[in-house]
Amino acid sequence: GAGVSQSPSNKVTEKGKDVELRCDPISGHTALYWYRQRLGQGLEFLIYFQGNSAPDKSGLPSDRFSAERTGESVSTLTIQRTQQEDSAVYLCASSLDRGPDTQYFGPGTRLTVL
Amino acid sequence: AQSVSQHNHHVILSEAASLELGCNYSYGGTVNLFWYVQYPGQHLQLLLKYFSGDPLVKGIKGFEAEFIKSKFSFNLRKPSVQWSDTAEYFCAVNAVTGFQKLVFGTGTRLLVSP
Repeated sequence: GAGVSQSPSNKVTEKGKDVELRCDPISGHTALYWYRQRLGQGLEFLIYFQGNSAPDKSGLPSDRFSAERTGESVSTLTIQRTQQEDSAVYLCASSLDRGPDTQYFGPGTRLTVL
Repeated sequence: AQSVSQHNHHVILSEAASLELGCNYSYGGTVNLFWYVQYPGQHLQLLLKYFSGDPLVKGIKGFEAEFIKSKFSFNLRKPSVQWSDTAEYFCAVNAVTGFQKLVFGTGTRLLVSP
């Protein structure tokens, strides 16, 4: 079946603008995660959604970052007033449940803030 | 806080050489362990995982990893690498009960010369 999809694949924006990144998880996956990968660094956790539970926002770096998820489907990550340090690849992953299950990653959105 | 250390940032090998990539984690509870691989131009893919049972796990493409609980390690091995193994390798951990997010190491870039 289809994997995790993300859009856009690339986004170039000017400092101070808002951006919205989209993730479509694998159908039936109740858990959804956002990660960020800055150049030369490992992936860092941003936010986690599990079913109807309150999301785990502990990884969001500032209040300029927010994310929403509609039921158990699409999620959007919004970055307001973008800064150059926000430049990174933003990765979305989904898994079947919160149990010991594999997270499947999308191709990512490469965000460049000029 | 939980953390993952990958000791080798860059590894260069010739084809047919043996590979071992180190991974150590810090967390006192029971963990799930993963190795993900990112081939050039592709998105992150699962290479292998450990949830429970036999601490020696086998993954795709001839890779294996051994979980040594006493050393908090999950090293990745392959007896004979191929040029097509050139990629970046990430070790990751999450908790069986507790944090669901994946905590990643900074990655190891492997270059296999033909």
